[in-house]
Amino acid sequence: EAGVAQSPRYKIIEKRQSVAFWCNPISGHATLYWYQQILGQGPKLLIQFQNNGVVDDSQLPKDRFSAERLKGVDSTLKIQPAKLEDSAVYLCASTPRGSSYNEQFFGPGTRLTVL
Amino acid sequence: AQTVTQSQPEMSVQEAETVTLSCTYDTSESNYYLFWYKQPPSRQMILVIRQEAYKQQNATENRFSVNFQKAAKSFSLKISDSQLGDTAMYFCAFLSGNQFYFGTGTSLTVIP
Repeated sequence: EAGVAQSPRYKIIEKRQSVAFWCNPISGHATLYWYQQILGQGPKLLIQFQNNGVVDDSQLPKDRFSAERLKGVDSTLKIQPAKLEDSAVYLCASTPRGSSYNEQFFGPGTRLTVL
Repeated sequence: AQTVTQSQPEMSVQEAETVTLSCTYDTSESNYYLFWYKQPPSRQMILVIRQEAYKQQNATENRFSVNFQKAAKSFSLKISDSQLGDTAMYFCAFLSGNQFYFGTGTSLTVIP
């Protein structure tokens, strides 16, 4: 079974530029999460999708961050414009349909550096 | 608000020895799940062990076991017979409803 795929793995941009990250969850996984992990901290949930609907985006900075999950499969997370404090690893995770434990399977992450 | 606290930023253990990582959490919920995740250097996060709050019996997975103290809101991870491959960041996580909350992590180094 293929794991959660993310691209790019690394991205360096200047502040005020835009950037987009892509995530392809494990096939059949209904729930998809985007996390922000700042160096030295634990992952912080940004947004959670159930199929193609948003379950929770309470911690997403909506003035600059946006995310979508078209057709309930792949997802993209966009930052526009980026700030220095957005430098972090962005993790995507997915959960199997009907999972009673909500075990999350994580992708390798995208490391963003904002200069 | 739910919070997860890991008070040990860094720990080290000799190979083959036993080490315990601590985690406390704060919640008013009665039904929840607790997890330990492992994040090796430059590799992706994987689940180590999980515990349902309604189960009194502590979870065990091979060399990994937990000490779950519900009243004290404590959830520590014990790693027995530590191996070099156990070197990683370990995150304690709490799930209630749809929300996951992660601690700040403990960096564990296994010394040969």
